[in-house]
Amino acid sequence: DGGITQSPKYLFRKEGQNVTLSCEQNLNHDAMYWYRQDPGQGLRLIYYSQIVNDFQKGDIAEGYSVSREKKESFPLTVTSAQKNPTAFYLCASAYTLAGGPDTQYFGPGTRLTVL
Amino acid sequence: AQKVTQAQTEISVVEKEDVTLDCVYETRDTTYYLFWYKQPPSGELVFLIRRNSFDEQNEISGRYSWNFQKSTSSFNFTITASQVVDSAVYFCALSGENSGGSNYKLTFGKGTLLTVNP
Repeated sequence: DGGITQSPKYLFRKEGQNVTLSCEQNLNHDAMYWYRQDPGQGLRLIYYSQIVNDFQKGDIAEGYSVSREKKESFPLTVTSAQKNPTAFYLCASAYTLAGGPDTQYFGPGTRLTVL
Repeated sequence: AQKVTQAQTEISVVEKEDVTLDCVYETRDTTYYLFWYKQPPSGELVFLIRRNSFDEQNEISGRYSWNFQKSTSSFNFTITASQVVDSAVYFCALSGENSGGSNYKLTFGKGTLLTVNP
């Protein structure tokens, strides 16, 4: 099946720990994105990558890091520098078109809770 | 800067009622794209529609319809004869030609929680 997978579905972290959220897609999409969702809020962009080995900060990148070594994979690390990491994290991917943005398709999300 | 406003935080209707979700946007781009996504309780965002700024035709897909009015910067979403399975959070989103330095950033509204009661 083609799609976007995120793991784990639920993640618990102790304060001071780094954790890595996985995002994999087999849609052959060029671009990948990480969003954070807080209760009652819209999605806010953390990082995005339009090609392999390149990524850009979004609106709330502080305390997060990413890598894009393969087209299919875009892992997100939540570092201990992120002051309030408890949230729902969504990964998305899309084709990149010359004429404008293609539709972003989303994975099922990872719910991170800091204990 | 881009902005999407979904003024309705929560809406509750009874099954079979029609319901309209409002979306008002702000952008300085002449070319831009508008989206609607559905987020059921499972959490995954499901794509519903994409519309570019040059296409003001309204669209209907089954019980769903969208009304794009450039003059009022609105892109409203109507569900006809609502069903319990329509209960979800619905997000409106905007991507402009030059969205904050990237051509592909999505700006989301805060969402509208729709509850359809049997």
